[in-house]
Amino acid sequence: KQEVTQIPAALSVPEGENLVLNCSFTDSAIYNLQWFRQDPGKGLTSLLLIQSSQREQTSGRLNASLDKSSGRSTLYIAASQPGDSATYLCAGGTSYGKLTFGQGTILTVHP
Amino acid sequence: DTGVSQDPRHKITKRGQNVTFRCDPISEHNRLYWYRQTLGQGPEFLTYFQNEAQLEKSRLLSDRFSAERPKGSFSTLEIQRTEQGDSAMYLCASSLFGRSNTGELFFGEGSRLTVL
Repeated sequence: KQEVTQIPAALSVPEGENLVLNCSFTDSAIYNLQWFRQDPGKGLTSLLLIQSSQREQTSGRLNASLDKSSGRSTLYIAASQPGDSATYLCAGGTSYGKLTFGQGTILTVHP
Repeated sequence: DTGVSQDPRHKITKRGQNVTFRCDPISEHNRLYWYRQTLGQGPEFLTYFQNEAQLEKSRLLSDRFSAERPKGSFSTLEIQRTEQGDSAMYLCASSLFGRSNTGELFFGEGSRLTVL
């Protein structure tokens, strides 16, 4: 059974800092790894998807890496902004789309 | 195409009542998923459909819960005899499963249920 853990549970940083969110998973036979953003009371917005054969994906100021052998993924956010404040969720996916989520990291970027 | 649509966005009901949520996936997406998210937790898988066929149900989906996707387009999730423990955000997602399957899921805004 896949289990996903995210560290830290909460993070508060000043604007402009680069930061790393961590995600670990127990079953290395994942099909993909997805990172999502969730604003309070809202649904999930997909940020990055990394296939099991890939090592990383980049979109703008975001970079996600995947190391299946160690069961880890990281989300790197460069030059953080107050608008980045949200909960970030990672999820390990199977080939048929079933996702197992971590509990999320609550990020606060203060001006 | 406006993405995955869920209705209603918020539902407040009394314990024992029945509630139904509707999800309209992205058009041409053949897979549809339901997840439940309680406060401070990540979403948990409930069930998924490929077209109209329900292919997997989580043990979280008790016999008071039923999901349908009658024509392979929109889906409904019904909760009968609601309990306070059913209070949560119910999230719907869809994906396109095919030869070049990336497995990427697209989520709706969710339906928040409060059982008094």
